[in-house]
Amino acid sequence: ETGVTQTPRHLVMGMTNKKSLKCEQHLGHNAMYWYKQSAKKPLELMFVYNFKEQTENNSVPSRFSPECPNSSHLFLHLHTLQPEDSALYLCASSQEAVGTSIQYNEQFFGPGTRLTVL
Amino acid sequence: ILNVEQSPQSLHVQEGDSTNFTCSFPSSNFYALHWYRWETAKSPEALFVMTLNGDEKKKGRISATLNTKEGYSYLYIKGSQPEDSATYLCAFVDYKLSFGAGTTVTVRA
Repeated sequence: ETGVTQTPRHLVMGMTNKKSLKCEQHLGHNAMYWYKQSAKKPLELMFVYNFKEQTENNSVPSRFSPECPNSSHLFLHLHTLQPEDSALYLCASSQEAVGTSIQYNEQFFGPGTRLTVL
Repeated sequence: ILNVEQSPQSLHVQEGDSTNFTCSFPSSNFYALHWYRWETAKSPEALFVMTLNGDEKKKGRISATLNTKEGYSYLYIKGSQPEDSATYLCAFVDYKLSFGAGTTVTVRA
């Protein structure tokens, strides 16, 4: 596999379920990101990890819990979601940057997980 | 909340015609401006990362310019082809990255 992969591609879950989204990058990057895209809204950055450490959490509700066990893998654990959380969740990676914003570097995106919360 | 605005929201272009559209962003605390192309059912793909005022970048028939003092960037498509149909996103970087809503380009054969 090359690039950035995400599984599953589609997920339907009830509000009481617990599920996880997985992202894997094969690019040798050390920075990884979760984005959310709701209908008719811009991409919203949720979390940023740099060298496995969370460097940014953009006021995301605690029902979304990220995990980055190593620089190649990123998870988003979901529990007690709301219907308004239905969206496309995109993962991305980039080269790390030292001394400046890591979002300075171009990002490589996965195909996304289309999440529907019933 | 940063205002990164893209205009127009959508446009239709005849095959062979050239077109351009705009990304507007705050002119303070500028680090970088990204452009991405997002085709339907695919992943967003980076086109350019621009960092210097007056930057001009080119990739095939697509080019971009940057004016950080007045806070805008233009993306140009020369001789549009059907495969150029996509949503073009810009993203402004100060201490974080903020995306615009995109310009959706449809090229008619």
